Amino acid sequence: AQSVTQPDIHITVSEGASLELRCNYSYGATPYLFWYVQSPGQGLQLLLKYFSGDTLVQGIKGFEAEFKRSQSSFNLRKPSVHWSDAAEYFCAVGPYTGTASKLTFGTGTRLQVTL
Amino acid sequence: GAVVSQHPSWVICKSGTSVKIECRSLDFQATTMFWYRQFPKQSLMLMATSNEGSKATYEQGVEKDKFLINHASLTLSTLTVTSAHPEDSSFYICSARDPQITGVVTGELFFGEGSRLTVL
Repeated sequence: AQSVTQPDIHITVSEGASLELRCNYSYGATPYLFWYVQSPGQGLQLLLKYFSGDTLVQGIKGFEAEFKRSQSSFNLRKPSVHWSDAAEYFCAVGPYTGTASKLTFGTGTRLQVTL
Repeated sequence: GAVVSQHPSWVICKSGTSVKIECRSLDFQATTMFWYRQFPKQSLMLMATSNEGSKATYEQGVEKDKFLINHASLTLSTLTVTSAHPEDSSFYICSARDPQITGVVTGELFFGEGSRLTVL
């Protein structure tokens, strides 16, 4: 069975500081990995995704993530956090293709940004 | 890009009434949509997979008679919470994949804005 673990429930960083959100996954085949962001009362917006190729993936809003197969990790990073980045971040794993294929989400990490 | 829209974004109803939430794919056709429920400060819990022209597939523990799903067209799926009770109060989110992306049905999901249901 596929699963995603986000060990940090809540993280607080100062504006301008760097950020790393952790994500570990368990998946029986080649994983398709995602990071989504959710602002309060909103749906989810895709930040970035990885299936194959370069293990360092660039996303929107200055975010990047690195896939490390040996560690089963897909950590999200940003070199300098902005106050508008405060939100809930979800890591997800699933198969690459198939309209009915399900994604499994982690429990999320709430990011708070202090000024 | 692919856009998924939900309506209403916020609904308040009395206990015992039924509430319908709509999920539309605005610029693509979705043969499959997914309905999630999210409790405060928690992750998304998949409730069911909505299939166009056929019955929805419910996850274990989700009452299919309580949460009626209809996917009558390629751009519309509806979730009806029947005989709503206060414990049904939650944030409901739908999602879908866009099969037109690069001609391959990829795993990326596009999400609606969510619908917050409050049952008094």
